[in-house]
Amino acid sequence: AQSVTQLGSHVSVSEGALVLLRCNYSSSVPPYLFWYVQYPNQGLQLLLKYTSAATLVKGINGFEAEFKKSETSFHLTKPSAHMSDAAEYFCAVSLTGANSKLTFGKGITLSVRP
Amino acid sequence: DGGITQSPKYLFRKEGQNVTLSCEQNLNHDAMYWYRQDPGQGLRLIYYSQIVNDFQKGDIAEGYSVSREKKESFPLTVTSAQKNPTAFYLCASNADRSGNTIYFGEGSWLTVV
Repeated sequence: AQSVTQLGSHVSVSEGALVLLRCNYSSSVPPYLFWYVQYPNQGLQLLLKYTSAATLVKGINGFEAEFKKSETSFHLTKPSAHMSDAAEYFCAVSLTGANSKLTFGKGITLSVRP
Repeated sequence: DGGITQSPKYLFRKEGQNVTLSCEQNLNHDAMYWYRQDPGQGLRLIYYSQIVNDFQKGDIAEGYSVSREKKESFPLTVTSAQKNPTAFYLCASNADRSGNTIYFGEGSWLTVV
């Protein structure tokens, strides 16, 4: 079985500041890891994913995440926040293999202050 | 354009009525999923289907039913047995077999009045 923990439900940063959203996972086998973003009243959009090719994964909109097996973490970062980054962010994990189910964390709401 | 289409976007239902949410994909994906989203609880899996004419219960299947008669379609019925059906429902499908990227529709809001 796999699970994801996203600590805290809300993060607030100033525009231009570093964004750090934390995600820790639990998996009995090497996992696939994902970050998704959701804007109000919309579906989820894939930001980036880790599939064991490289531990530092770059995604869309300037986001990146680093897979750290020793810490069972996959934290999402962006060097400089923009107002348009305000949204809800979900970390998710699945087992390797075809069509495995995704298990989501509870999500973190990111607010960006002018 | 390829994608996942959910309809309707907003739906109101009276207590005791069944309602069906539509999900259609033209991405030629084998697997399809239904998630329920409630504030502060993330996404919870209701049902999923990996091939036509086959589906499995997710974590919160009680009060819901699905069918998978065609590869492109995976409708969800919210029955009167679902005690708290007001929520945001998301349909999704798998992109490929080697990375398990899941793509989502725009979601459907169901409100019981």
